[in-house]
Amino acid sequence: DQQVKQNSPSLSVQEGRISILNCDYTNSMFDYFLWYKKYPAEGPTFLISISSIKDKNEDGRFTVFLNKSAKHLSLHIVPSQPGDSAVYFCAATTASGTYKYIFGTGTRLKVLA
Amino acid sequence: EAGVAQSPRYKIIEKRQSVAFWCNPISGHATLYWYQQILGQGPKLLIQFQNNGVVDDSQLPKDRFSAERLKGVDSTLKIQPAKLEDSAVYLCASGLGTGPSYEQYFGPGTRLTVT
Repeated sequence: DQQVKQNSPSLSVQEGRISILNCDYTNSMFDYFLWYKKYPAEGPTFLISISSIKDKNEDGRFTVFLNKSAKHLSLHIVPSQPGDSAVYFCAATTASGTYKYIFGTGTRLKVLA
Repeated sequence: EAGVAQSPRYKIIEKRQSVAFWCNPISGHATLYWYQQILGQGPKLLIQFQNNGVVDDSQLPKDRFSAERLKGVDSTLKIQPAKLEDSAVYLCASGLGTGPSYEQYFGPGTRLTVT
């Protein structure tokens, strides 16, 4: 049972344009969401997070939007840069219990120069 | 600040053999995680330690996988005997504590191929 889904395995965007990566979840108990970025042969690195009490969180070029009613979150990267080319994972957890992260399958972003 | 260290980086074994992975977390990090990432999938938590105690091992196949964190620092993950479906990248992560506000820092992973 895939509780966190990233339905787009890959995405190509021109440099300078907006990249939008999407993530859907099924478990209504999730109340904290994160995005991780992964380069080849490296471990994932934390990018940005959002609590369910918010609907938007911004950090520089990166903004995460949360739509709780639709159980959907998205990561916007503006403007996209070639160095943003990586695999992006969304993850979800509950702010109680063991705080186990459930990761999606990832979206490979390629930013074209 | 040194990151999470893992070794070996790559390992190839035959099925039914045993293998062990080592992880050295960031100094001072109380929480340590082992994840399994199969090709095309996201990381899946196998086991979580808080200091040297197990917090969550619900997804660890205990008939063949074992993990320990002696003295609350380094950790080893062992597979015995290995199966073909164990081929994956094994990621270790550490954090200052447990909870969403504590970032998990990942190591580079160990890529295991079982033939």
